[in-house]
Amino acid sequence: GAGVSQSPRYKVAKRGQDVALRCDPISGHVSLFWYQQALGQGPEFLTYFQNEAQLDKSGLPSDRFFAERPEGSVSTLKIQRTQQEDSAVYLCASSFSRTVSNQPQHFGDGTRLSIL
Amino acid sequence: SQQGEEDPQALSIQEGENATMNCSYKTSINNLQWYRQNSGRGLVHLILIRSNEREKHSGRLRVTLDTSKKSSSLLITASRAADTASYFCATPIIQGAQKLVFGQGTRLTINP
Repeated sequence: GAGVSQSPRYKVAKRGQDVALRCDPISGHVSLFWYQQALGQGPEFLTYFQNEAQLDKSGLPSDRFFAERPEGSVSTLKIQRTQQEDSAVYLCASSFSRTVSNQPQHFGDGTRLSIL
Repeated sequence: SQQGEEDPQALSIQEGENATMNCSYKTSINNLQWYRQNSGRGLVHLILIRSNEREKHSGRLRVTLDTSKKSSSLLITASRAADTASYFCATPIIQGAQKLVFGQGTRLTINP
């Protein structure tokens, strides 16, 4: 596809379960970002990859959150031992540029995660 | 914490009217970006204005930037029902991290 693809679109899990969210960025895009968006709020940065290197994970809320991009394309965000406060929309974005400031980011439609 | 704050938080106008949204930010920037988000969808980039620019146009969109006041505005002229969405400003944080910091957004409703 031409855009950023995220799966699943919706995920319901019981508290304590592990979940994995997938992001397929636009082909050739070097930079990949994960954001968390609470209802009625703007996206909040979680982590950033340049190719396969995770250069910034300062936004990950706890050590239960883990992200990887092993081959520099597809990325997975994993949340272990989920809690109710993890309920949110998780957005993935990619960019052609290595520098955030120069190019827009292209977003997927997100995964809406609900923890029961 | 979020860098930008949009004002108003919600705006409802009639189709055909102009809509103006404002954004204030805290730190020095080299550019500011505006994004649109339709309900249940991801964000779509609208326009990027660099710190040495004061005004930029794209179709029915007009963005201004006042770095002395650390503020920006987005004007949508001749609004249409399809413009109904949330609008976010975002600024890149360069020092120590490569990331965009978003405001809380303005929810715009265009009434037919």
